[in-house]
Amino acid sequence: KAGVTQTPRYLIKTRGQQVTLSCSPISGHRSVSWYQQTPGQGLQFLFEYFSETQRNKGNFPGRFSGRQFSNSRSEMNVSTLELGDSALYLCASSLADRTNTGELFFGEGSRLTVL
Amino acid sequence: AQTVTQSQPEMSVQEAETVTLSCTYDTSESDYYLFWYKQPPSRQMILVIRQEAYKQQNATENRFSVNFQKAAKSFSLKISDSQLGDAAMYFCAYRRDSLVFGQGTRLTINP
Repeated sequence: KAGVTQTPRYLIKTRGQQVTLSCSPISGHRSVSWYQQTPGQGLQFLFEYFSETQRNKGNFPGRFSGRQFSNSRSEMNVSTLELGDSALYLCASSLADRTNTGELFFGEGSRLTVL
Repeated sequence: AQTVTQSQPEMSVQEAETVTLSCTYDTSESDYYLFWYKQPPSRQMILVIRQEAYKQQNATENRFSVNFQKAAKSFSLKISDSQLGDAAMYFCAYRRDSLVFGQGTRLTINP
């Protein structure tokens, strides 16, 4: 079974631009979560989508948004990029059904650099 | 809000020896999950071990075991017979709704 796939793996943007990151979950997984990882702030929860609906949201500004498609694939978008948005963005999927053990399966991440 | 604290930013251990990584958390919930994740230099987060809060028995996965003290809100990870491949960042995490991570402990294995 294929794992969680994130694209692109690396990207460089300039301040003020916007970026879209993609995540394909493990087949059968209906929940997709996004996390931002930086050396200073560590791993911080952005949001979770389940069946195309945002189920939970972290404490990030409105510039950070996401969506989930009917095939469970998810995208996150960051508009008006700031230098502080440079980070590794991790996507994780889980079953999120009544057999859910709570485990999240992570992708390799998308490394965003904002210049 | 739930918080997870890992008080050891870095740890080192000799190969084949045992090391314990500490984790405490704060929550008012009684039903939740606790995890230890490993992030090697390749960056992909890998689950090491999982503990359901309602289970009193400590989880064990081969060389990895936990000491779960629910009343004390403590969840430490013991790695026995440390191997070079165990070198990584280790994150303790709490989950009820979203996954809340600690700041991580960088584990170095000395040959």
